[in-house]
Order: sequence, then structure tokens, then C-alpha cells
Amino acid sequence: AQSVSQHNHHVILSEAASLELGCNYSYGGTVNLFWYVQYPGQHLQLLLKYFSGDPLVKGIKGFEAEFIKSKFSFNLRKPSVQWSDTAEYFCAVRVSTAGNMLTFGGGTRLMVKP
Amino acid sequence: KAGVTQTPRYLIKTRGQQVTLSCSPISGHRSVSWYQQTPGQGLQFLFEYFSETQRNKGNFPGRFSGRQFSNSRSEMNVSTLELGDSALYLCASSSLTQGGSEKLFFGSGTQLSVL
Repeated sequence: AQSVSQHNHHVILSEAASLELGCNYSYGGTVNLFWYVQYPGQHLQLLLKYFSGDPLVKGIKGFEAEFIKSKFSFNLRKPSVQWSDTAEYFCAVRVSTAGNMLTFGGGTRLMVKP
Repeated sequence: KAGVTQTPRYLIKTRGQQVTLSCSPISGHRSVSWYQQTPGQGLQFLFEYFSETQRNKGNFPGRFSGRQFSNSRSEMNVSTLELGDSALYLCASSSLTQGGSEKLFFGSGTQLSVL
């Protein structure tokens, strides 16, 4: 069975700092990769996704992620965070033939200090 | 367009009871998935329904079951509740008909507390 690891459980940054959240998965076959975000008091929502093609994908609100197949990684980045980026971030993996069964990482709580 | 609606928002039950949670997907969405979210285990997949058929099932005991109706609304049931079933239960819907969807739309969840 596949698993997903997010190494940073809590991250505190000041505004304008750069962000990188790690995500590693264990599955040798074809996968689809996602980052979801949960802002305080809101639903989980899709930030960005990778299915195929260019391994550098861009999402909403200036976020991007890079898929490195050889490292089984899909790290999330943002060059300059804002206070409004305070949220919990979840990496998720789907085996490409598994319908909508996502395996989520444990989540990273990001706090951005104004 | 209305989002994914989950009812009730909060539930308090005692051990041994059973509970039914409801999810109304976004209009036109035929796939409904259920996830359990706890501080210790994070988000874990329970099951997915598509066109009234269970398409995938996670690693949960048989006390957890679900169904989907012809209007795509879904219910999940937990029988013989245990303290460890206390969690936020999230429902997600999606629109694609084959394979996996590009995007899941999540509801606000039902917070279940088992005393």
C-alpha cells in the first residue's frame, strides 16, 4: 500500500519568507499527486495537482510544486508567503487506476507572522 | 452552485450506539468519497461510491458502511460505536465519470464525538 510523508508538522515563517514543504510518497507505479489546503474555518480545497507532463506545476495563489520521480517527492514551494497563507497543507497521492481513493500525508500547519 | 452539504454538523453519541451521516454532493457530481480525519491518524480514506456502487474501500472494519442513492446523495453508517471513532468525517464529491477526478470538492464535515 502506498504511504505519504510530510516531514514538517509545524512551520512558522514571517511574511515575505520563502516556503518549501516536503512530501515524499512510497509507490513504484504511476501516481497522481495533489496538494490540498485547509484555511482556518474553511473546507479542504485543491491547491495544485500533477498528473503528467511538465514536472513543475503551478497552482493558485502563487504556489508551485515540483515532481521528482527519482526521489518520489512532490515538494510545495512559494517564493514569498503572506499572512493569508496561514493554513494546514496536505499532500496526497492517488494510484492512477484507483478512482478517487487518495492517500494523504499527515499535514503541515503553516503559521505566517505578519 | 451549492457546495457539498454534510449533515448533521455535530453529533454526540455513546459507545455501542450507531450513527448515520449524510452527504449531498454538488449537483451533477456522481462520485462521492468519505474520509475520516483525526489528530493522530490524519485523513484516511473510508470508501468511494460512483453511480450507487462502491468503487473503492479503505482499511476500516465492517462496522463502517455506506451507500449511495440514485440522486447521488450518500450516507455512511457506523455501528457499535467505539471511543476511537470520534473524528471529523469528510465527504467529497467529483464530476468525472471514469477513472479518477482532477479535483475533489470537500464538505465541512460532521464532527462525531463518542462518549
